Amino acid sequence: KAGVTQTPRYLIKTRGQQVTLSCSPISGHRSVSWYQQTPGQGLQFLFEYFSETQRNKGNFPGRFSGRQFSNSRSEMNVSTLELGDSALYLCASSLAGTANTEAFFGQGTRLTVV
Amino acid sequence: QQQVKQSPQSLIVQKGGISIINCAYENTAFDYFPWYQQFPGKGPALLIAIRPDVSEKKEGRFTISFNKSAKQFSLHIMDSQPGDSATYFCAASSAGANNLFFGTGTRLTVIP
Repeated sequence: KAGVTQTPRYLIKTRGQQVTLSCSPISGHRSVSWYQQTPGQGLQFLFEYFSETQRNKGNFPGRFSGRQFSNSRSEMNVSTLELGDSALYLCASSLAGTANTEAFFGQGTRLTVV
Repeated sequence: QQQVKQSPQSLIVQKGGISIINCAYENTAFDYFPWYQQFPGKGPALLIAIRPDVSEKKEGRFTISFNKSAKQFSLHIMDSQPGDSATYFCAASSAGANNLFFGTGTRLTVIP
């Protein structure tokens, strides 16, 4: 069974640009969550999508947005990039329903903003 | 505010020894407590998880101890091996929510 796939693995962008990251969950998983990992702040929850609807949102500015498609694949967008957005962005998928279920992470997209 | 506090920040253990990592939380709504292992350049991998209806869960060399009254839980790695050298994260989430609150991580080094 294929794991969570994130593309691209690495990105270099300039301040002010926007970026779109992609996540393909494990087959059959309907929940996709996004996390930001930085040395200073650790792992922080961005948002969760389930059945194409944002179900939960972390404490990040509106420049961070996402969406989920009918096949459960998800994209995350960051607009007007800032240097502080440099991070490893991780996607996690789970079967999910209403109860907590195991979350499986992809390898992440390493975003560098210059 | 850090919802899950993890210690120590780093840990060095001799091969064959026991590694112990501790976490504490305040939110009594948390009811799912996973541990993740992360190697450099990789995403976190689920290691073991516990729910508050049990006080201990063991899977191979990995054991979670859970103290509901103290709002603390810990990971014990028995017979630690150099291959266990990684960063370990505890996490917690509440019922009906899939957002995980992570601890700050513990970098474990197992010396041969």
